[in-house]
Amino acid sequence: SQTIHQWPATLVQPVGSPLSLECTVEGTSNPNLYWYRQAAGRGLQLLFYSVGIGQISSEVPQNLSASRPQDRQFILSSKKLLLSDSGFYLCAWSSRGTDTQYFGPGTRLTVL
Amino acid sequence: DQQVKQNSPSLSVQEGRISILNCDYTNSMFDYFLWYKKYPAEGPTFLISISSIKDKNEDGRFTVFLNKSAKHLSLHIVPSQPGDSAVYFCAAYNFNKFYFGSGTKLNVKP
Repeated sequence: SQTIHQWPATLVQPVGSPLSLECTVEGTSNPNLYWYRQAAGRGLQLLFYSVGIGQISSEVPQNLSASRPQDRQFILSSKKLLLSDSGFYLCAWSSRGTDTQYFGPGTRLTVL
Repeated sequence: DQQVKQNSPSLSVQEGRISILNCDYTNSMFDYFLWYKKYPAEGPTFLISISSIKDKNEDGRFTVFLNKSAKHLSLHIVPSQPGDSAVYFCAAYNFNKFYFGSGTKLNVKP
């Protein structure tokens, strides 16, 4: 069966510090991968999605970036965090050509 | 520009009664629609989906209805149970992308 991992589960970072969140998927090949953010009291905002290694589509201009160095690994990064980057970050995957998406457990990021 | 909207931020229902969660969308090109359930500090879990060529899909206590002419879908939970209390997100899918509503917090009272 397929599983998706995210780490860390929680993170507290000062403004201006770098960020690296990692997501890995097991049990499937060539997945589509996604990063979402849920700000407090808000819905799910799509940040990036990837249909293959090195292929990243950015949905929202911001100080975040994403990379996909391996087929089942998706990384969310920032060089300098802002207060507004605080939120709950979710990684998700879907099989190519299918309509269902599965989410990881999420990372709670607090920027102080 | 939000393409999927959930206009009710919260809903309170008595245990055993029906819960109806609503969702509206603007893009007629969406292929599939999905409902997710989310507990605090956890990732959303998939509940049920419906293809754009259907108007109803049922899975146990959960039924999703799609009205394409009105660009509206709804999730019915019958009977509602306290364990159903969570935030429910509707989503629409098209061309590798999923568009989510802002969620409705359901509270099922014992």
